[in-house]
This record gives sequence, structure tokens and C-alpha cells, in this order.
Amino acid sequence: DIQMTQSPSALSASVGDRVTITCRASQSISSWLAWYQQKPGKAPKLLIYKASSLESGVPSRFSGSGFGTEFTLTISSLQPDDFATFYCQQYGSYPRTFGQGTKLEIK
Amino acid sequence: QLQLQESGPGLVKPSETLSLTCTGSGGSISTIDYYWGWIRQPPGKGLEWIGSIHYSGITQYNPSLKSRVVISVDTSTNQFSLRLSSVTAADTAVYYCARHLFSEAARGGFNLWGQGTLVTVSS
Repeated sequence: DIQMTQSPSALSASVGDRVTITCRASQSISSWLAWYQQKPGKAPKLLIYKASSLESGVPSRFSGSGFGTEFTLTISSLQPDDFATFYCQQYGSYPRTFGQGTKLEIK
Repeated sequence: QLQLQESGPGLVKPSETLSLTCTGSGGSISTIDYYWGWIRQPPGKGLEWIGSIHYSGITQYNPSLKSRVVISVDTSTNQFSLRLSSVTAADTAVYYCARHLFSEAARGGFNLWGQGTLVTVSS
């Protein structure tokens, strides 16, 4: 199985801040990486696919980058609605695997 | 616009079989384009992919659960189902059904989710 490791596990930031979350794969997954946002009591929402492609309807302040084993999700200017938990997920091979999550909290 | 909705018992006894159904409304699951999957999330923890099925019956399972899992599809009712046998407290989780492309070369990830249903394993 491909292991996905996110850092940090938790992050405190303020509205307007730029934040970056990192996701590392235990082996190369090319660009086969997705990012999700999950709010309490809700299903995850797809934000980014193929490492850097923005899902339809997702604000442009979200961006993704990376290739191979190291990936980042960046939020350029945090908005109040952005505070949530974020997950990466590889779809380069089965079984599909997720990172452990990064909880983004208000400072 | 297709929507997915999970249904099934919220409480299952240890050693018994957990059974859930995901119903599609507003669209068909009988499409060559997608896999239909199950993902779970224990309370306060992360996401675990359980397995996926194509309407043709092709399945993919997580090896960590494969010996206990059966995913099936019923195109006549626009539903797909999860059966997880010999459950323990460790199987307590919110169970989500979700959709991903059969070929994820152009775009991937789970792009449609049900709202999730909590299943508690307890006597």
C-alpha cells in the first residue's frame, strides 16, 4: 500500500493568512493526487485533482502543486469558511489511501 | 443532478454483519464512466477506503478488509451495497458512499459523496 503522510497535523492561522499543507507519498504517484476539505459532520469535498487541477466551483484561492512523492495544498488568503480538516488521497494505485488529515484552526 | 444517500442499521452487534445500501437519485449509476465506492471514518479519525464497484460488477477491495467485505450493485434499483462481516468495535464509523471515475487519468478523486451514516458496533 502507498502510505500518505501529511504535515502538519494541525495548524493555527488567521483570516487573510497564506497557508501551505504538505503531503508525502511513500512511493511515486506521478500526479495522481487529490485534496479534500471536510467540515464537522459533513462529507469531504473534492478541491483539487491531478495534484494541481481545481475542481469546478472551488475558489481560486486554493491551489495544489507537486509531482512524484511530494505535494502541497496552498490557500492564498484564508477566509472564515476555510477552517476545516484537509486530506490528501492518492489514486495512483489500489488500495486508494488517504493522509491522516490536517486540521486548520482559527488563531 | 445525481445524489447519493446511505441507508441501513445504525447499530450492529459484534460478530454480526454490517449491511448498508447507497441509493442514487436524480441520475443513474449504470454508467461505464464511474466506480461506486465505500469509505469509512471512525469517530475523530481519518478516512479509509473500503472498496469500489463498477456497474458491470468489477470490484476493487482494500486488502486490509477484503476477507470480510462484499460490495454489490443492483442497477434495477439504482443501488449499490456494502456487507462487512464479523464486525468488532473497531468497525464503528461513519460510512460514506462516493463516486470516482473508472479511468482517473484525466481527473480523479471522489467527486460525489453521500452524507454518511454512523454505524455503531455494540452489544
